[in-house]
Amino acid sequence: KNEVEQSPQNLTAQEGEFITINCSYSVGISALHWLQQHPGGGIVSLFMLSSGKKKHGRLIATINIQEKHSSLHITASHPRDSAVYICAGSGAGSYQLTFGKGTKLSVIP
Amino acid sequence: DTGVSQDPRHKITKRGQNVTFRCDPISEHNRLYWYRQTLGQGPEFLTYFQNEAQLEKSRLLSDRFSAERPKGSFSTLEIQRTEQGDSAMYLCASSLEGQGVTQYFGPGTRLLVL
Repeated sequence: KNEVEQSPQNLTAQEGEFITINCSYSVGISALHWLQQHPGGGIVSLFMLSSGKKKHGRLIATINIQEKHSSLHITASHPRDSAVYICAGSGAGSYQLTFGKGTKLSVIP
Repeated sequence: DTGVSQDPRHKITKRGQNVTFRCDPISEHNRLYWYRQTLGQGPEFLTYFQNEAQLEKSRLLSDRFSAERPKGSFSTLEIQRTEQGDSAMYLCASSLEGQGVTQYFGPGTRLLVL
């Protein structure tokens, strides 16, 4: 059974801080997704990784395949980054996503 | 706005009633997914269509749940004889074969069963 675990569950940061959210996943997962969910439910896909590192603006996602671990970093955090960040895994040959429980991020001005 | 729409956005119903939700994916996307999210949890996979064929179905999808995608475009998710435990956000996502596994999510339908 594919499993995804995230930490921390809740995170409060001051504006400008560097933020890291962690995700560990089980053996069957071959691709790792980071998504952002705003209040009211809208989910936006941020990154999909199977190796290495991806960067988009102030967001950076890394994955370590050997350790089965991924991190999402936010540089120079801003109150508009406040949202729930979810990591999700997909297995080889399957299109269903297995989601972590999410990390609720609050960035205080 | 990702281009995936869901209707209705909110639904309140009494226990025992049937409800139906609709999802309109991005027009050229051939894959469509349904997920359910309860409060404080990440979404859980329910089912997946490629074109009109339902290819994967979670064991979470009891016999009271049925999903269709008759023409390979929009999809409906019906819940019969609703129970209070069905209260959740129902999310739809779509993707295009050949563009990796990135899924585009709709805004969700929030169901409350009284």
